[in-house]
Amino acid sequence: AQSVAQPEDQVNVAEGNPLTVKCTYSVSGNPYLFWYVQYPNRGLQFLLKYITGDNLVKGSYGFEAEFNKSQTSFHLKKPSALVSDSALYFCAVRPPIKAAGNKLTFGGGTRVLVKP
Amino acid sequence: DAGVIQSPRHEVTEMGQEVTLRCKPISGHDYLFWYRQTMMRGLELLIYFNNNVPIDDSGMPEDRFSAKMPNASFSTLKIQPSEPRDSAVYFCASSLPLIGANYGYTFGSGTRLTVV
Repeated sequence: AQSVAQPEDQVNVAEGNPLTVKCTYSVSGNPYLFWYVQYPNRGLQFLLKYITGDNLVKGSYGFEAEFNKSQTSFHLKKPSALVSDSALYFCAVRPPIKAAGNKLTFGGGTRVLVKP
Repeated sequence: DAGVIQSPRHEVTEMGQEVTLRCKPISGHDYLFWYRQTMMRGLELLIYFNNNVPIDDSGMPEDRFSAKMPNASFSTLKIQPSEPRDSAVYFCASSLPLIGANYGYTFGSGTRLTVV
């Protein structure tokens, strides 16, 4: 069975500094990987995904993520964080097999707090 | 498209009462998911449908919970009888098959349920 780990419950960063949110996964085969963001009182919003190809994926709002197969990681990054990036971030994985259907497995979430 | 529409946005009910949450997925999306979010458990998948057929209901906590999808544009999640521990934010999400250029799930804004 697949699983996703987000080892940090919260990440604090000063505005303008680089932001990294960590994610590691466990799945058979080459995974489909996703990042979602949740702002207060809102549903989750898609940020970016990795399906195949270039290991560095660029997404919305200046975020990017790097797929590292050897380390089974898919860390989310932003070169210069904004106060408005403060939110809850979820990593998700789906194995590349038909039997998985459309079911994503989500990590526990990481709260990001960007201070002015 | 108006996105995934959930109603009501907030629901406060007394223990023992029946609660019905509603969801209208994005037109053309053939997958529909119900999630529950709490501080203690994070984001939990309750059940998901494909082409109106329930595929995996292993996350439904107990017989008090039931979900239906009578047609492609409507789904309900019912709790009867409700209990205080059911208090949570319930999200509905819909998607196309997770292949190619598809952007994963689209989430609704959620229903905040409080059972007193």
